[in-house]
Amino acid sequence: DAGVTQSPTHLIKTRGQHVTLRCSPISGHKSVSWYQQVLGQGPQFIFQYYEKEERGRGNFPDRFSARQFPNYSSELNVNALLLGDSALYLCASSPGPNTEAFFGQGTRLTVV
Amino acid sequence: GENVEQHPSTLSVQEGDSAVIKCTYSDSASNYFPWYKQELGKRPQLIIDIRSNVGEKKDQRIAVTLNKTAKHFSLHITETQPEDSAVYFCAARPGGGNKLTFGTGTQLKVEL
Repeated sequence: DAGVTQSPTHLIKTRGQHVTLRCSPISGHKSVSWYQQVLGQGPQFIFQYYEKEERGRGNFPDRFSARQFPNYSSELNVNALLLGDSALYLCASSPGPNTEAFFGQGTRLTVV
Repeated sequence: GENVEQHPSTLSVQEGDSAVIKCTYSDSASNYFPWYKQELGKRPQLIIDIRSNVGEKKDQRIAVTLNKTAKHFSLHITETQPEDSAVYFCAARPGGGNKLTFGTGTQLKVEL
């Protein structure tokens, strides 16, 4: 799990702006999932990508989008930021779509 | 969709005692149940997991039990140490699915 890298680690944005978060999975892992963790709660599933295709989407608005690149890294994009989007965004790396998930350190997003 | 309930929300034990955290799930299709440990400001770390074809799994001081009929699973930590202090999350995932549904977390404090 030490191999999952996310950038940036912290980010402050203003309401209405957009943000791009990045994740590099563990070498050899082909699946990346994104989760949102609000303070004091468990992570909430946003997306899963496997072999560059979306394999699952959680209950989040269309302002949230993601993609996976040929090297299996991934980006999470959030448009028209709201105060409620302030959270820790976690990327999870898995060898395949139904295997163990290992989390990165996360990106702490603050919307002001 | 899946709903995971976790109890207790906080747990204080004396060093050397055992700690038990319990989770229930609602979707009978769930067949993978991981547990994560999250220290303050750090990533969720996978500590143990169990699949529905197994009733119990043990790894040193940590064990997980699963009762499919009752739809509940538990984390057992024996001989607790101060470094076990953290927030523990249970999660469930349906067979063939990709989405982990997390519980609300248990703050474990091991006191000297």
